[in-house]
Amino acid sequence: DAMVIQNPRYQVTQFGKPVTLSCSQTLNHNVMYWYQQKSSQAPKLLFHYYDKDFNNEADTPDNFQSRRPNTSFCFLDIRSPGLGDAAMYLCATSSDEGTTSYNEQFFGPGTRLTVL
Amino acid sequence: AQSVTQLGSHVSVSEGALVLLRCNYSSSVPPYLFWYVQYPNQGLQLLLKYTSAATLVKGINGFEAEFKKSETSFHLTKPSAHMSDAAEYFCAVIFSGGYNKLIFGAGTRLAVHP
Repeated sequence: DAMVIQNPRYQVTQFGKPVTLSCSQTLNHNVMYWYQQKSSQAPKLLFHYYDKDFNNEADTPDNFQSRRPNTSFCFLDIRSPGLGDAAMYLCATSSDEGTTSYNEQFFGPGTRLTVL
Repeated sequence: AQSVTQLGSHVSVSEGALVLLRCNYSSSVPPYLFWYVQYPNQGLQLLLKYTSAATLVKGINGFEAEFKKSETSFHLTKPSAHMSDAAEYFCAVIFSGGYNKLIFGAGTRLAVHP
């Protein structure tokens, strides 16, 4: 089955220690998104890639970076995690190759990040 | 300003009872509307979507939602709750011109008790 895969599902890091979260997809979608979801809150968009074009949300901290080396993979880098960065991180994909004027997003299972 | 509101952060129903989760949007142009479900420590699963076709939309797991333009609403219903329906439910919208921007409501946690 075509899907969005996130690894690892659970990640523990230390305060200030860089961490990378991974997302891959077999859907061949050209748009990939990263969301942060804190406990009991709605997902919040951090940024997205439209093909190779990076689109950052205005309120995303500089501490968060992303890389997309190819269509299938996208990485979220947190340069210096703070306690406030503990959250579920969700990756999603969509395709704009259809005729609709909206993009339905398909979500991965998420990576829960703990910062000690 | 464009926004989406879910009334009720927590809803509790008995097994077999009607489920009603409320979602309202604020926009002069009807958006594209979605309901997602999230089980603990899982990603988001699409339940159903409204994309300007039929106003009554049927989704997975017996859920349906009706788009009412006059009320700017897209409430989610299920005639008979099951224990497995206990989860967090998010209403989300893509506003006109917001091609890649999915805006989420705050979410409603549904509890189902025997």
